[in-house]
Amino acid sequence: AQKITQTQPGMFVQEKEAVTLDCTYDTSDQSYGLFWYKQPSSGEMIFLIYQGSYDEQNATEGRYSLNFQKARKSANLVISASQLGDSAMYFCAMRSNNAGNMLTFGGGTRLMVKP
Amino acid sequence: DAGITQSPRHKVTETGTPVTLRCHQTENHRYMYWYRQDPGHGLRLIHYSYGVKDTDKGEVSDGYSVSRSKTEDFLLTLESATSSQTSVYFCAISDETGGSRVPQYFGPGTRLTVL
Repeated sequence: AQKITQTQPGMFVQEKEAVTLDCTYDTSDQSYGLFWYKQPSSGEMIFLIYQGSYDEQNATEGRYSLNFQKARKSANLVISASQLGDSAMYFCAMRSNNAGNMLTFGGGTRLMVKP
Repeated sequence: DAGITQSPRHKVTETGTPVTLRCHQTENHRYMYWYRQDPGHGLRLIHYSYGVKDTDKGEVSDGYSVSRSKTEDFLLTLESATSSQTSVYFCAISDETGGSRVPQYFGPGTRLTVL
């Protein structure tokens, strides 16, 4: 069975600073993918970034980067130069090739950016 | 943005009544999913479809049924709604030709309240 754990229910960050949101996962599969989604107060789920288990480099998308440590089974999201619009819920999710096409989500982290 | 709509966006109903939620996509993607979101649980998969008339159960399928008679439409039915089914329901789609690397894209959500 797959499991995603996000241990930070809520976090504050000062505007323009970087912040790391933690995500650890548990799977016995060798081939899997890790995703991060953002959910602002308006409610929609927005895809941010993807990391494959066989990718040799950490994924980056603009101000978002993923600190992938395979041996530790962690896939932390780093947001650089935080903006007020980054205030939202952030969800880590995993898909394993052996678990069909299902995404397993963590419980989320609420990020609040202070001006 | 992926072309995904959900209807209705909000619904209040009474215990024991049937409810059908609709997801419509304009992307011609093969895979469609229904999730529910509850505080502290992230998103959990209810059912998914991998083609017309091809569906399978997810993590929390009890009390729900689905149907897919056309590529673009995926219906979620609560045969006899219960208060425990009060939740926000999200539809998602994905193009699986890219394998597990492909993210799922989400609709705007339906907020269902069962009194």
